[in-house]
Amino acid sequence: DTGVSQDPRHKITKRGQNVTFRCDPISEHNRLYWYRQTLGQGPEFLTYFQNEAQLEKSRLLSDRFSAERPKGSFSTLEIQRTEQGDSAMYLCASSRAVVAGENTGELFFGEGSRLTVL
Amino acid sequence: GQNIDQPTEMTATEGAIVQINCTYQTSGFNGLFWYQQHAGEAPTFLSYNVLDGLEEKGRFSSFLSRSKGYSYLLLKELQMKDSASYLCVTYTNAGKSTFGDGTTLTVKP
Repeated sequence: DTGVSQDPRHKITKRGQNVTFRCDPISEHNRLYWYRQTLGQGPEFLTYFQNEAQLEKSRLLSDRFSAERPKGSFSTLEIQRTEQGDSAMYLCASSRAVVAGENTGELFFGEGSRLTVL
Repeated sequence: GQNIDQPTEMTATEGAIVQINCTYQTSGFNGLFWYQQHAGEAPTFLSYNVLDGLEEKGRFSSFLSRSKGYSYLLLKELQMKDSASYLCVTYTNAGKSTFGDGTTLTVKP
C-alpha cells in the first residue's frame, strides 16, 4: 500500500494556461474525491467518483474544471484557462464505500498539488 | 444542502482538556468525521460517529447528537503537538464528505 499519490506537487502557471493534475488512489479504494483548499479554509468539495462514474460535481465549479477517472483507477483534474482565483491546494482523497461494521469510509488524502496562477 | 459551523480559533494550555463544538445541517446525513490537519499537511482521520453517543479513542473522544445536529471533539491531556486545525466533516448516504472550515487549536505551555 503506497498511499494516495498526486502529481505534480507544485505547479506555477500563467493566467489563461491549462493545467492537469493526476491522482493515484489506494488500489483497493473504489471512491475518489477532489477537494480544493485555500489558506484558513477547510477543504472545499469539487467532485467525486465511485469507480469510473462521476457521482457529483460541485455547483460552485465553473465549466473550466473537468475531472475524469477513465478506468476506475487514477483520476485527472483539468483546469482550463486558469485564473488567479484558481490558486489553491488541490487535494485528492480515496476511500472504500462504507460497509456497516467493516469500515467507516474514512478519506485517505494525498499530499496535494499546489497551484499558483500568476 | 450542507452547512457546518465550528469556532474559528481556540487556545488551551498543555495538559488541559478542550472541547471543540460543531453544528451541522446536512441533507441525507449518515455520519460525522473529525479530521486533524497540521499546517502544510493533508488532513488525517481522527474519529467517526454514526450513532448518537460518545466514541472514545485514547486521548480523543467524539460525541454525536443526530437530533440536535451537534457534535464535539474532546481532547484530553493536551500536548504541544496537538496544535493543529480540527475539521468537522459530515458524510451523506450518497458517500459525499463535506468539510467545515476547521478550528485552529493553539496549545500553549
